[in-house]
Amino acid sequence: DAKTTQPPSMDCAEGRAANLPCNHSTISGNEYVYWYRQIHSQGPQYIIHGLKNNETNEMASLIITEDRKSSTLILPHATLRDTAVYYCIVRLESRDTPLVFGKGTRLSVIA
Amino acid sequence: EAQVTQNPRYLITVTGKKLTVTCSQNMNHEYMSWYRQDPGLGLRQIYYSMNVEVTDKGDVPEGYKVSRKEKRNFPLILESPSPNQTSLYFCASSPSLQNEQFFGPGTRLTVL
Repeated sequence: DAKTTQPPSMDCAEGRAANLPCNHSTISGNEYVYWYRQIHSQGPQYIIHGLKNNETNEMASLIITEDRKSSTLILPHATLRDTAVYYCIVRLESRDTPLVFGKGTRLSVIA
Repeated sequence: EAQVTQNPRYLITVTGKKLTVTCSQNMNHEYMSWYRQDPGLGLRQIYYSMNVEVTDKGDVPEGYKVSRKEKRNFPLILESPSPNQTSLYFCASSPSLQNEQFFGPGTRLTVL
């Protein structure tokens, strides 16, 4: 699986959009980009994933660049409950490639 | 309610005393896995299972055993726990590797 690079920490004002970047310059054509988050010592929670096209669900939007070398997770209106560690994971969707979690980005939403 | 449950949630034990952490899911998922989380090291996979009676080693399997006799259960066994297995453990399940994983609430284990 391609490795990812994320900033170790970010701050965001409550009510504003949180934009979390992820670099995955060695991604291959059939690797997906997944985002999970972990709120203080709770089990990680799936947020969204995509291959080429931008994706949106009730939690967030995922913007993947045209060359697929980077992506951005957008939380449109961050709340204090969005304070968490966010993990960007790139992996093949095959039976032999489980999730590999990196260090992630610690997002702090500030009132 | 669809969920992954783990028991116990907290456990303090002593070196060498065999223990089992149970994991159960009620979503009929084929895929289950165990992770440990340590400060500065992130989440690391211990073992995973594609289906009943099929298990494989993850990144850090040493000192652990698992079994998958039923689809819903995936217990983690520490035959002879040591202090370096003090950690926060998570169980996860998904319909298959292609789908998102659902994580349990975690088990905080301390081995003295």
